[in-house]
Amino acid sequence: ETGVTQTPRHLVMGMTNKKSLKCEQHLGHNAMYWYKQSAKKPLELMFVYNFKEQTENNSVPSRFSPECPNSSHLFLHLHTLQPEDSALYLCASSQGLEVETQYFGPGTRLLVL
Amino acid sequence: GQNIDQPTEMTATEGAIVQINCTYQTSGFNGLFWYQQHAGEAPTFLSYNVLDGLEEKGRFSSFLSRSKGYSYLLLKELQMKDSASYLCAVRDSNYQLIWGAGTKLIIKP
Repeated sequence: ETGVTQTPRHLVMGMTNKKSLKCEQHLGHNAMYWYKQSAKKPLELMFVYNFKEQTENNSVPSRFSPECPNSSHLFLHLHTLQPEDSALYLCASSQGLEVETQYFGPGTRLLVL
Repeated sequence: GQNIDQPTEMTATEGAIVQINCTYQTSGFNGLFWYQQHAGEAPTFLSYNVLDGLEEKGRFSSFLSRSKGYSYLLLKELQMKDSASYLCAVRDSNYQLIWGAGTKLIIKP
């Protein structure tokens, strides 16, 4: 499999549930990103990892918890989410942080009830 | 603050030409990207401009004027499969990508 993959593609959860989103990149990249995409709004950068180390946390609520066990895998752990957290969550990767194009996965469509 | 503006929606006819504009105000500039995103799919990279001028790639071209804080994406010989959202993003002085909300392009036969 090539490129950036994300699972699950769709997720419905209650506000008291705990779930995890998974992202895997097969491009040999060193940087990985989590974005939130809401309808008719710009992509919001949530977290950035470079060589497994977190380099950005853009004021994301603690109910979102990222994990990067290695350069190929990225997780987003979710707990006690709110309905306004319903969105498309996109993972991306790039060779490096500064001058490289980002390549995106297909996203996880999340609905919080 | 930092801001990227692009039209919310545009409509064009199959076989025609369409120009999608993007204006930006950012803290510094280290390149501008255009991505295409079909409904329910991943954004895919289209073009990158860091110097003024026109970059051509087949049916798609992207133009940049840094002095005007302006870019456009030009799509020629439109096909139905070009119906998608087109996202403009600028890399600022901290090398963070600042994204526009995207332009939904509707192609009619």
